[in-house]
Amino acid sequence: NAGVMQNPRHLVRRRGQEARLRCSPMKGHSHVYWYRQLPEEGLKFMVYLQKENIIDESGMPKERFSAEFPKEGPSILRIQQVVRGDSAAYFCASSRTGGNEQFFGPGTRLTVL
Amino acid sequence: SQELEQSPQSLIVQEGKNLTINCTSSKTLYGLYWYKQKYGEGLIFLMMLQKGGEEKSHEKITAKLDEKKQQSSLHITASQPSHAGIYLCGGEAAGNKLTFGGGTRVLVKP
Repeated sequence: NAGVMQNPRHLVRRRGQEARLRCSPMKGHSHVYWYRQLPEEGLKFMVYLQKENIIDESGMPKERFSAEFPKEGPSILRIQQVVRGDSAAYFCASSRTGGNEQFFGPGTRLTVL
Repeated sequence: SQELEQSPQSLIVQEGKNLTINCTSSKTLYGLYWYKQKYGEGLIFLMMLQKGGEEKSHEKITAKLDEKKQQSSLHITASQPSHAGIYLCGGEAAGNKLTFGGGTRVLVKP
């Protein structure tokens, strides 16, 4: 049973470009969570999704960031018009249901030049 | 808002010695998670505690949650170099999202 998959593992973008981060949850998991780890800072919650629904986006920046988890395919975290401050490690976690163990992917390290 | 405090921030232990990491929440938790992260890598799930007074062990790692479900400790017995890394506690207060402590960096000296 493969774990949580994230791709790409590393992503380099220039300021103003778009970044798309993908997350495939573990088999049988329908809940996905995105977290961000800024350099020298802790891990912060961004958004919680179930299939086709955003449950909690209280940690998402108000502008430029969006997330989706379609019926088919991976969850996508999209960052438009990236700025240097977006450089961070973005982690996805999945769980079978809410309140169950959250298993994390390896992360995508975004560098904005 | 919920906050999680971890202590100590960093720890250097001699191989073979025991170590303990503490995690304190400002609110009562539904669940308390422990993860290990190696520098530049993802989080490895260690244990999840949900019941007051619960204690779980896996190999040489033991985690406990107090009766009030606000404090947890992670104890490693007879530490080995493979135990080196950053240990993170994550608390679930409501809504399934996790709030994390600042992490504890563990270095095991051979």
